[in-house]
Amino acid sequence: AQSVTQPDIHITVSEGASLELRCNYSYGATPYLFWYVQSPGQGLQLLLKYFSGDTLVQGIKGFEAEFKRSQSSFNLRKPSVHWSDAAEYFCAVGAEATSGTYKYIFGTGTRLKVLA
Amino acid sequence: DAGVTQSPTHLIKTRGQQVTLRCSPKSGHDTVSWYQQALGQGPQFIFQYYEEEERQRGNFPDRFSGHQFPNYSSELNVNALLLGDSALYLCASSLAAASSYNSPLHFGNGTRLTVT
Repeated sequence: AQSVTQPDIHITVSEGASLELRCNYSYGATPYLFWYVQSPGQGLQLLLKYFSGDTLVQGIKGFEAEFKRSQSSFNLRKPSVHWSDAAEYFCAVGAEATSGTYKYIFGTGTRLKVLA
Repeated sequence: DAGVTQSPTHLIKTRGQQVTLRCSPKSGHDTVSWYQQALGQGPQFIFQYYEEEERQRGNFPDRFSGHQFPNYSSELNVNALLLGDSALYLCASSLAAASSYNSPLHFGNGTRLTVT
């Protein structure tokens, strides 16, 4: 079965510190992987995506993620966190259907708190 | 370039009532997907519409139905509302001709539905 696990429900870091949010997926084929961010009361904004090629992908707002097939992981990182990064972060896998359509399977999210 | 727009932003209904939520996709997109996000959870796929037909459906009862119009906008209808239907309902749009990597989902800000 397809699934996404984000083992950390809450993470607190100090402003300027580095950040790593964990994501593990279960998917039978080559996965399309995504990280989205959601601020309170808002929809989801795409941070970055991965399908193939270089396993380290760069996204917006200084975020990057590394795909590790052997560990079925797609962890999100940022070298130096800003107070404005406080939000909820969702990892997702894109499950392609035979009809050419697809749906996303999301993890339960990690809520990031940033201390001044 | 207008993004995904949803209306209304908030809605309060009573158990047993029916509700209709509306979504206009991002300009240039032809596919609309609906997701339910319960408090503290990741978004769950409800269904997807393309060419005015339901193409994929998640694990939701028949009380959840939808429609897509010729201009690609969409409605989500929920009948016989239950307390457990209280959630943020997110609409996302994409381009059917592209893969989920090349046309990742663009989300609206959602409709917050409260069932009392």
